[in-house]
Amino acid sequence: EAQVTQNPRYLITVTGKKLTVTCSQNMNHEYMSWYRQDPGLGLRQIYYSMNVEVTDKGDVPEGYKVSRKEKRNFPLILESPSPNQTSLYFCASSSHTEAFFGQGTRLTVV
Amino acid sequence: GEDVEQSLFLSVREGDSSVINCTYTDSSSTYLYWYKQEPGAGLQLLTYIFSNMDMKQDQRLTVLLNKKDKHLSLRIADTQTGDSAIYFCAEIISGTYKYIFGTGTRLKVLA
Repeated sequence: EAQVTQNPRYLITVTGKKLTVTCSQNMNHEYMSWYRQDPGLGLRQIYYSMNVEVTDKGDVPEGYKVSRKEKRNFPLILESPSPNQTSLYFCASSSHTEAFFGQGTRLTVV
Repeated sequence: GEDVEQSLFLSVREGDSSVINCTYTDSSSTYLYWYKQEPGAGLQLLTYIFSNMDMKQDQRLTVLLNKKDKHLSLRIADTQTGDSAIYFCAEIISGTYKYIFGTGTRLKVLA
């Protein structure tokens, strides 16, 4: 079954404490991306990766890092989280015709 | 720049038809999509349409594409309470894998 798996589903953390949200896909897709979803703003792309070791900034990259050491995994790293990064995050893995989404990670930074 | 616009809310009565509208900006988009997001879940692909089509029908769903006006609509016939969700319109930027999503339309179905 085609799947994108994100962990954790929910996370509450304090300002400045580094965290990583993991993402894994089993479809052998080259393209993966991270989005954040905020009320009234839809989904905004944070970072994307065209292939292993190839990553680039999306529309809202500030405060985030990513890595793509292997094809299936694309973790999102917040080195020093701040309250304005409280949001719902989605990882996606894409073919030419369809984007597959993870279940989401609801992050709260206090 | 690229932009996809949708109205934020729609409320309909059970059994009526729902029409969710979307406008987009990239006239060279190859595919246009409708995704559905149920509470607490990720986005699921509902349907998509090739840019060379005007209409696509799939059971209760009808997608209409007006390329001249860059307007996409999703009609849900005989709307049920299980259709209550957020619906996202999206386009894929030609020559890339980048998807541009609208703000989402929250559909509420009243019993």
